[in-house]
Amino acid sequence: DAGVTQSPTHLIKTRGQQVTLRCSPKSGHDTVSWYQQALGQGPQFIFQYYEEEERQRGNFPDRFSGHQFPNYSSELNVNALLLGDSALYLCASSPIDGTGDVFGAGTRLSVL
Amino acid sequence: QKEVEQDPGPLSVPEGAIVSLNCTYSNSAFQYFMWYRQYSRKGPELLMYTYSSGNKEDGRFTAQVDKSSKYISLFIRDSQPSDSATYLCAMWDTGRRALTFGSGTRLQVQP
Repeated sequence: DAGVTQSPTHLIKTRGQQVTLRCSPKSGHDTVSWYQQALGQGPQFIFQYYEEEERQRGNFPDRFSGHQFPNYSSELNVNALLLGDSALYLCASSPIDGTGDVFGAGTRLSVL
Repeated sequence: QKEVEQDPGPLSVPEGAIVSLNCTYSNSAFQYFMWYRQYSRKGPELLMYTYSSGNKEDGRFTAQVDKSSKYISLFIRDSQPSDSATYLCAMWDTGRRALTFGSGTRLQVQP
């Protein structure tokens, strides 16, 4: 059983560009959450998708947006990239009760 | 003040030692308490989760929650070099429906 898969693994962008990250949840999970993990820090909650809608959002600007597709997979989009957006972006999926999020290996984004 | 505080370490112990990792929190709405292990350049892996105050044991790992003190712990017995990783505490509140993480404690077990 494949767990949470994320693509790409690594990405290098320059300031001002836009990026799209992708996530496929664990089989049987219908809720997808995105987290940003800066170096040496714990993951910070960006937002959560359920039934193709954004259900919860953390303290992130509107430059961060997302989408969930009917097959539960999800995308994270970041516009107008800043140097401070450099981080590991983690996707987590969970069943409806939300406990025990399962994380993917992440996408490492470097903004130059 | 952060909602979840965790000593970043690093913590270095000899193989076979008992390791104690701790977090404190301030938000009374947190209802589920988790411990994740994260190896370098990997995603966090769920080790244990608990709901109520008390102890929960799984092999060499014991999770302890004291809601009255807003304090959680993870104990690792007979630590192994393969336990070397960053340990993240995380807390779930059903209102926010998201995890709030500590900053992680880096553990190094020396052979």
